[in-house]
Amino acid sequence: QVQLVESGGGVVQPGRSLRLSCAASVFTFSSYGMHWVRQAPGKGLEWVAVISYDGSNKYYADSVKGRFTISRDNSKNTLYLQMNSLRVEDTAVYYCAKETISSRFVGYYGMDVWGQGTTVTVSS
Amino acid sequence: QSVLTQPPSVSGAPGQRVTISCTGSSSNIGADYDVHWYQQLPGTAPKLLIYGNTNRPSGVPDRFSGSKSGTSASLAITGLQAEDEADYYCQSYDSSLSAHVVFGGGTKLTVL
Repeated sequence: QVQLVESGGGVVQPGRSLRLSCAASVFTFSSYGMHWVRQAPGKGLEWVAVISYDGSNKYYADSVKGRFTISRDNSKNTLYLQMNSLRVEDTAVYYCAKETISSRFVGYYGMDVWGQGTTVTVSS
Repeated sequence: QSVLTQPPSVSGAPGQRVTISCTGSSSNIGADYDVHWYQQLPGTAPKLLIYGNTNRPSGVPDRFSGSKSGTSASLAITGLQAEDEADYYCQSYDSSLSAHVVFGGGTKLTVL
C-alpha cells in the first residue's frame, strides 16, 4: 500500500530550528513531485512548499520563504523540510503529500497520497 | 483570507443533494488551472476526492462529482450519508507571484 510517514515534529522555542522527514514506500518516489501542507489548530489547510521529482525546482508559500527549505533524497525515498527561525504562528500539523501525476511540472495535479501528519509546536 | 473562497458551512438531510462552491480569480481557476477537492474527516489526514475538476480516484463513490466554470468550481454530493460529515477543501494552482498552490478556506458539511 502506498504510504507516507512523517516524523521529526515536537515542541521548540521561537527562533529555533527543526527538520521534518517524510518516508515514502510502495511507489516510485523519484518520479513524483512532493508537497508539505500544514494545518494550524482549528484552521484550514495551508500549502507550505513543493519540490519537483528530481529536486531541481522548489517553490514556497510567502509565509515560510527564506526560513524553510524543502529537499529530497531519492536514494532514501525521503522528503525533508528544514524549518529555521520558527515562529509561534508556525505551530501546526505538517503533512507531506504526493502529487497525483508524475510530471516535471509541479503544483498542477493535486495530491493523492497524504501522510498521517506530524505536530510542530512553537512555544516559549 | 484564502485565495479560493468557500462557504464556511453547508448542511443537508440524509439522502439529499448538497453543493459546495469554490470561487477563485483570473490567476487560478479562471486561468484554466485544474481544481481538486479533498475530504477531511475529524482527526484524520485529508483525502483526495476529485482531481482535475471532474475525476474521481479509485474507491471514491460516484455520489461525489466536481464541475468547473469560469472562475468557480463546485463539488456536489448526492444521496447524503452520515459518514459524509467532514470538512471539504478545494485547491488549485495560482500563477501570481505570491502563490503557487492555493487552498480554499474549507467548508464544514453537517448531515442533519
